[in-house]
Order: sequence, then C-alpha cells, then structure tokens
Amino acid sequence: RKEVEQDPGPFNVPEGATVAFNCTYSNSASQSFFWYRQDCRKEPKLLMSVYSSGNEDGRFTAQLNRASQYISLLIRDSKLSDSATYLCVVPTRGFGNEKLTFGTGTRLTIIP
Amino acid sequence: DAGVIQSPRHEVTEMGQEVTLRCKPISGHDYLFWYRQTMMRGLELLIYFNNNVPIDDSGMPEDRFSAKMPNASFSTLKIQPSEPRDSAVYFCASSPRTSGGADTQYFGPGTRLTVL
Repeated sequence: RKEVEQDPGPFNVPEGATVAFNCTYSNSASQSFFWYRQDCRKEPKLLMSVYSSGNEDGRFTAQLNRASQYISLLIRDSKLSDSATYLCVVPTRGFGNEKLTFGTGTRLTIIP
Repeated sequence: DAGVIQSPRHEVTEMGQEVTLRCKPISGHDYLFWYRQTMMRGLELLIYFNNNVPIDDSGMPEDRFSAKMPNASFSTLKIQPSEPRDSAVYFCASSPRTSGGADTQYFGPGTRLTVL
C-alpha cells in the first residue's frame, strides 16, 4: 500500500451539494493528519488538522477511522470557491510535523 | 504580515545551466522546507532545516542539487547542472516551533522552473 493514497477524481459536484472523499494511509502508528487545499497554480494551504476521531470547521468535517486507516473530508453546502485540489497529508514517520507525506490530491470542481 | 517569499516566480533555462532558487521564510519560524511538485510524483520533500542547520536531505534527488541556509531569513536551492527532468514547481515552506517540534507549514508561492 502507498504511504498515502487518494482518489484523484475529478469530482464534479453541483453547487450546494455535499461531497466526501477519502484518503488511506499505510502507517498505523500515525498520530496526526492534515488536509491541505491547493488552488490551481497556487501553493498548498492548511485546511484542517485531525488529531483524534475528527474535526469540524464550518461546512468542513474531517473524520478519522484508525481501524481501517482512512481519513475522510466532507464538504457540505458546497460553494463555487471550494473548487480546488485537496491534499491528504500524513507525517512520514507517523509522528512529528517535520516530514510530511502528501497524497497526490483529489481534484474537486463545483458546478454552478 | 508577509508570508514566505520566493524568487524568481518563473525561471526558464537551458539544460546544463545553473539555477538558483531563493526563499525568505516567515520571520520567527525555526523550520524551513524545500519541496518539489510534479504531475507524476506530486509534492515531495527535498530537504529541511531547523535553526539554519540541514536536518534531513534524503529527498534531494542527486548531487546536482544543493541547499543552503546561511541565516534565519534566507535559503537557496541550487541545481547545477540543470536537466529537463528538473522541470517542476519548487516550493519553500516554513514552520514555527512547538514543544513537539514543527507546527503548521506555510508555503510560499513557488518557483515554476522549466529546463529546455
């Protein structure tokens, strides 16, 4: 299994809909997880951190399933501005934020 | 508050030429990271520094690549000689320190390198 694996998409979703995508990781010792957002031709930016079972921030919910080793990102009431690539990120060594392994990203397009 | 600054933003060069990419981290951040992003391989960590000292350069692809951090506000990534397969977007990121090590990484806008 790859260290971090994501469905590349693209996900084309109508505005206002709910969309979810998963990320699987191989290191069962991983303690922290991150979702980064990357707009086209821009730099990645931290969207959410996940340290326990999950995290919620407005329309965004990240959930962690340690038994199955996957993290999900749920976006409710999607906006046109949510169109971006979402990168799943896991500490390379399972701990510490110095060395991060980035997934190749899931591309999301919100359709008017 | 200024974020991570990178220069140049775009670089087009010919195979065999030396390329130098520059980065100014966010003031007060202890960690600095260099990444490379390509369509095929995604975002890969090349090297990172803690308090100006290189800690892990295992991601540096080969001896043609070198990185330095002479002081807390400046770092360079040099490729000599450059090859077409080095074409990619190179990101610099910096991070403050917490009790557990590095915190959130903040990325610069990147340098888009094309080697002809």
